[in-house]
Amino acid sequence: GAGVSQSPSNKVTEKGKDVELRCDPISGHTALYWYRQSLGQGLEFLIYFQGNSAPDKSGLPSDRFSAERTGGSVSTLTIQRTQQEDSAVYLCASSLYSSGDGTQYFGPGTRLTVL
Amino acid sequence: GESVGLHLPTLSVQEGDNSIINCAYSNSASDYFIWYKQESGKGPQFIIDIRSNMDKRQGQRVTVLLNKTVKHLSLQIAATQPGDSAVYFCAENKGGSNYKLTFGKGTLLTVNP
Repeated sequence: GAGVSQSPSNKVTEKGKDVELRCDPISGHTALYWYRQSLGQGLEFLIYFQGNSAPDKSGLPSDRFSAERTGGSVSTLTIQRTQQEDSAVYLCASSLYSSGDGTQYFGPGTRLTVL
Repeated sequence: GESVGLHLPTLSVQEGDNSIINCAYSNSASDYFIWYKQESGKGPQFIIDIRSNMDKRQGQRVTVLLNKTVKHLSLQIAATQPGDSAVYFCAENKGGSNYKLTFGKGTLLTVNP
């Protein structure tokens, strides 16, 4: 079946501009996660959605970052007034269960470059 | 604090050899561990997981060992193939309602033909 998809695959933007990154999770998966991966680093948790519950935003690095999940499916991560330090690969994952041992399936990521 | 780290950032092996990738964790409350493989330009791919009530789990050509006494996790790959070349991450969480995975920085495995 289809896996997690993300768009765009690459995004180049100028400092100060806003960007939107999209994630389509696996159908039926109730949990959705966003991570950030800087060059040569591990993954940094950003935000978590589970069903209709309030999202866990504790990993968002600043108030320039926000995310929505509409209809319990597609999610959009928005970065306002982008900075060069926002350059990274943004990964989305989904899982069937909300518990910690629900295997997370990752999308291919969006590579964001802020000039 | 909570952290997951790796002993070696790079590992180079010959095709056909066995590979061992190590990971240390500091959170003794962690009860679920996962190994992911990430190829260049792709998202991490689940390889194998293990819960803290186990000390060994085997998959196809891969084995994960968990030593809770010294908080050490390892991934063994048998008969390493060129397609195994990738960055390998260990990740941990506390299970239950704690859904956040804490990832290590990764080990780059290079398989030489």
